[in-house]
Amino acid sequence: SQQGEEDPQALSIQEGENATMNCSYKTSINNLQWYRQNSGRGLVHLILIRSNEREKHSGRLRVTLDTSKKSSSLLITASRAADTASYFCATPTNTGGFKTIFGAGTRLFVKA
Amino acid sequence: SQTIHQWPATLVQPVGSPLSLECTVEGTSNPNLYWYRQAAGRGLQLLFYSIGIDQISSEVPQNLSASRPQDRQFILSSKKLLLSDSGFYLCAWRPPGLSTGELFFGEGSRLTVL
Repeated sequence: SQQGEEDPQALSIQEGENATMNCSYKTSINNLQWYRQNSGRGLVHLILIRSNEREKHSGRLRVTLDTSKKSSSLLITASRAADTASYFCATPTNTGGFKTIFGAGTRLFVKA
Repeated sequence: SQTIHQWPATLVQPVGSPLSLECTVEGTSNPNLYWYRQAAGRGLQLLFYSIGIDQISSEVPQNLSASRPQDRQFILSSKKLLLSDSGFYLCAWRPPGLSTGELFFGEGSRLTVL
């Protein structure tokens, strides 16, 4: 089963609006990562938040982590049409630390 | 700088035919290497990972296999493809020693089995 599960599965917004995606996971983590995937392309790493951090910013991205609820959120502010993509949360497992498990992703569509 | 190359980009194969997808990483040594599969509109399923030459772990029982004949080369193979093997295959790498760090992905190989 997937370690991370994103919510919603799909999101459609207007350009300029904020987009919020949520992720839940099941086991203890060292960190949680967010990736972006344009249609038909490979994934690109966006941001990593460690288990002892609660919030992290990078440009228009804001990530929060609540380890007590085993959940994270990714906020994209002032969205642009170019933000249209799928977004995945991912968690490296603590067993050996070599595996990273991905959720099913949120498909974001930003209308110009 | 490090780069990852994956090929072929697209592949259409008949059921029962063999498969070979190749991935190479440049600009680093002893990377951790990964093969993921992504069904249409779905998340990523980890298939294989490798922490060194001839050190490969399989995550999902299937008719696929992986090999690492050289330090920076990772190959995904099948002797006989099934319809269910269709999907988008992604190779990824991670620097050695950063077992929980970010992954760097190739551009993917889209396989259609007919």
